[in-house]
Amino acid sequence: EPEVTQTPSHQVTQMGQEVILRCVPISNHLYFYWYRQILGQKVEFLVSFYNNEISEKSEIFDDQFSVERPDGSNFTLKIRSTKLEDSAMYFCASSEQGANEKLFFGSGTQLSVL
Amino acid sequence: AQRVTQPEKLLSVFKGAPVELKCNYSYSGSPELFWYVQYSRQRLQLLLRHISRESIKGFTADLNKGETSFHLKKPFAQEEDSAMYYCALSDRTGNQFYFGTGTSLTVIP
Repeated sequence: EPEVTQTPSHQVTQMGQEVILRCVPISNHLYFYWYRQILGQKVEFLVSFYNNEISEKSEIFDDQFSVERPDGSNFTLKIRSTKLEDSAMYFCASSEQGANEKLFFGSGTQLSVL
Repeated sequence: AQRVTQPEKLLSVFKGAPVELKCNYSYSGSPELFWYVQYSRQRLQLLLRHISRESIKGFTADLNKGETSFHLKKPFAQEEDSAMYYCALSDRTGNQFYFGTGTSLTVIP
């Protein structure tokens, strides 16, 4: 079965630094998502992306966050100036026809902000 | 607003016993409901969708619109069912997906 790939699996950064989390969605999928899960808490929606633009974003997704599909295969999440509270597991997901179809999740990137 | 509620953070049952993971939702309109599962050290994966009305790994879930519930059930729990289970809701646009807080199921041998 095709998979969503995320790199790196673990990222450690200093507070205030920029980080870019990378995702390669399944090739024929059109809808892309980022979620995060702070340790011990629920999985939270960050942003959805379709047709090269953001479809929806949560209140978590403030000006420090941005997403991009730079080359038709990668889907990146950038955090401009990381804060301690950004430490979480970040999941990328993709879907062929939107969130009411099956979402395929990546294995996640564990971000640790020191 | 809390859209998906899973009241139990932890649930333990003995092997062979029935198991029910509760999920309640609040949403105006007709949402799509899902159960996702995350086994230890593995990625989140779809377990079942209410519109498919299918049974996966012996699990079933019935959408009760009157009670706004989508409880996950299995008549005989197996050790390999031990995992984190997330109830989820999608809006009709397909742009958003709301997860519950998850229930950690442990099946005791």
